[in-house]
Amino acid sequence: SAVISQKPSRDICQRGTSLTIQCQVDSQVTMMFWYRQQPGQSLTLIATANQGSEATYESGFVIDKFPISRPNLTFSTLTVSNMSPEDSSIYLCSVEKTSSYEQYFGPGTRLTVT
Amino acid sequence: AQTVTQSQPEMSVQEAETVTLSCTYDTSESDYYLFWYKQPPSRQMILVIRQEAYKQQNATENRFSVNFQKAAKSFSLKISDSQLGDAAMYFCAYRSEYTGNQFYFGTGTSLTVIP
Repeated sequence: SAVISQKPSRDICQRGTSLTIQCQVDSQVTMMFWYRQQPGQSLTLIATANQGSEATYESGFVIDKFPISRPNLTFSTLTVSNMSPEDSSIYLCSVEKTSSYEQYFGPGTRLTVT
Repeated sequence: AQTVTQSQPEMSVQEAETVTLSCTYDTSESDYYLFWYKQPPSRQMILVIRQEAYKQQNATENRFSVNFQKAAKSFSLKISDSQLGDAAMYFCAYRSEYTGNQFYFGTGTSLTVIP
């Protein structure tokens, strides 16, 4: 398995501002993922972040709105830019351990935009 | 893209009883992986069990077992001797062997355990 931490655990932000969410893993991993989850709903993949390359975004998500950094094999950040109330959600990072095909999730960041 | 369907938005079970959560998926691939994840209220999502499509034997992890029917594209989760701590949202997920690392999640089943 993997131990994953996220900061902050929750935040309340004003419309028009940006928030950067950090994801730290206790071991080196190639693949990291960022998801959005509305309370009580399923997970929607925002992007896949490989170390050393640009993140790959899913349909409906763009780099200008959700820039991602992946500076090394244990760390990634997701920024939610120019926030609106529609961005209120839980943001989760996950990692896939090489050759296990399993994903392990962080505890999530609960974001509220007012 | 593959689709994963969980047709039971909510389920309930008496403590110590057995409950089965349903999951079906749509794929044209022959090799893939299936997972059940558990997400307790306001807590971290954790992996419950996994199944490789090439394995005929159903996976088992303590009180959790699956009924994998490849031809029917069905992957149900059975929880035996249900405990209060089993109350959570359960998500079924699919991962391709070939087409990248993306997981496809179902919409989830909320399980209530009645004391």
